[in-house]
Amino acid sequence: KNEVEQSPQNLTAQEGEFITINCSYSVGISALHWLQQHPGGGIVSLFMLSSGKKKHGRLIATINIQEKHSSLHITASHPRDSAVYICAVGNFGNEKLTFGTGTRLTIIP
Amino acid sequence: DVKVTQSSRYLVKRTGEKVFLECVQDMDHENMFWYRQDPGLGLRLIYFSYDVKMKEKGDIPEGYSVSREKKERFSLILESASTNQTSMYLCASSWVRGGYTFGSGTRLTVV
Repeated sequence: KNEVEQSPQNLTAQEGEFITINCSYSVGISALHWLQQHPGGGIVSLFMLSSGKKKHGRLIATINIQEKHSSLHITASHPRDSAVYICAVGNFGNEKLTFGTGTRLTIIP
Repeated sequence: DVKVTQSSRYLVKRTGEKVFLECVQDMDHENMFWYRQDPGLGLRLIYFSYDVKMKEKGDIPEGYSVSREKKERFSLILESASTNQTSMYLCASSWVRGGYTFGSGTRLTVV
C-alpha cells in the first residue's frame, strides 16, 4: 500500500464547477504539500500546511491531522486549472517528501 | 522568488555515456534533492543533500551519484547511462521546515 493515496486519479469537469481532490496518508508527517504540474512543465508549490486550512485565490487546502487526510478545492474552475495535482508529505526529522501519484484534472470550456 | 535552475530541458544521450545533470538554486537553501518522475510511479527520490559535501541516498540511488561542492549547486551523475534511466529528472531545494521549490525538469532520453 502506498504511503500517500490520491483520489480521483483523473477528473474531468466543466468550467465553473467546484473541484475537490483528496489525499490520504498513512505515516506521521511534519507537513503536507500540494503541488501543481502543467503538461511538460516543472512543478509549482501551491500550499504547505500542517494544520487547518489555507486559501490562495480560488484554491483552498485543508488538512485533518487526526484522520490523516487533506483536500484541495478549486472554486469556479477554469481551463487554465487543467494540470496534474500532486500531494506530498514530509516526515519528521528530515525534509524528504513522499509523493502521491497525482490527479490529472481537465477543465472543459 | 526562489529560483531553481536546471541546466537542460531536454537531453538525448547514448547508452554507456556518463551524464551530468546540473541544478543551481539562488536562495541559500540548505537542502537540495534529485527526483525522477515516471508515469504511474510518481516522483521518487534519488539522492538528497542537506549541506555542502553531505549526501544521502534516497529510494532509488542505484546507477546514480551526486556532488555538492558548493551550497548552491547539486549535480546528478549517471555513471553509465542505460535505457531504463530515460525519465524526467526534477531538482528541488528547501530550507529547514520550509517550502519546496522545484526546477523545471530535464527530460532525459537514453538511446
